[in-house]
Amino acid sequence: GAVVSQHPSWVICKSGTSVKIECRSLDFQATTMFWYRQFPKQSLMLMATSNEGSKATYEQGVEKDKFLINHASLTLSTLTVTSAHPEDSSFYICSASTGKGGYTFGSGTRLTVV
Amino acid sequence: GEDVEQSLFLSVREGDSSVINCTYTDSSSTYLYWYKQEPGAGLQLLTYIFSNMDMKQDQRLTVLLNKKDKHLSLRIADTQTGDSAIYFCAETPGSSSASKIIFGSGTRLSIRP
Repeated sequence: GAVVSQHPSWVICKSGTSVKIECRSLDFQATTMFWYRQFPKQSLMLMATSNEGSKATYEQGVEKDKFLINHASLTLSTLTVTSAHPEDSSFYICSASTGKGGYTFGSGTRLTVV
Repeated sequence: GEDVEQSLFLSVREGDSSVINCTYTDSSSTYLYWYKQEPGAGLQLLTYIFSNMDMKQDQRLTVLLNKKDKHLSLRIADTQTGDSAIYFCAETPGSSSASKIIFGSGTRLSIRP
């Protein structure tokens, strides 16, 4: 149980376009979801905490107008990278709290902006 | 502040035990975790320990927690080539189970024959 499905697994987009990444909890309700990004050979960095029905809480240094997060239902959170640029190329991972101290992670999305 | 530190690399011989260490700063952490990441993949939760426990064992994995020193370790017995990966230590600062999770930088475990 407690599976999070994230897609797409990888995406290549042109500079200036927007990309949406979806994160779905398949068999549980995820009140809170988290979005991370990972640069090559570095650790995960928390970008924002997403709560169902309210605005996301962004970590310091993360542009909320560039990384739009929507958590409209208990099973879906989306991250939209707007006007993507090559420096946004990264590995993005979502996770959800299972409510019992554990977290489950999506498989990640590798974004390449060309 | 909230910080989790771990060494970046560890190399062990196949069949030996691997011990990956981690230190954290938040004394109010409730849960501490070990995750495994294989290349290009998402994180896989290996095990977690509650802050009121000293040790947890799960097959080849043993987690030791020294709360006084804020030190967490992961021991992998009989290390195999399939154990090659990056291992992340993580904590949830504070007492809420839905609070954010803070990761260490990851320890890259390599296995030599």
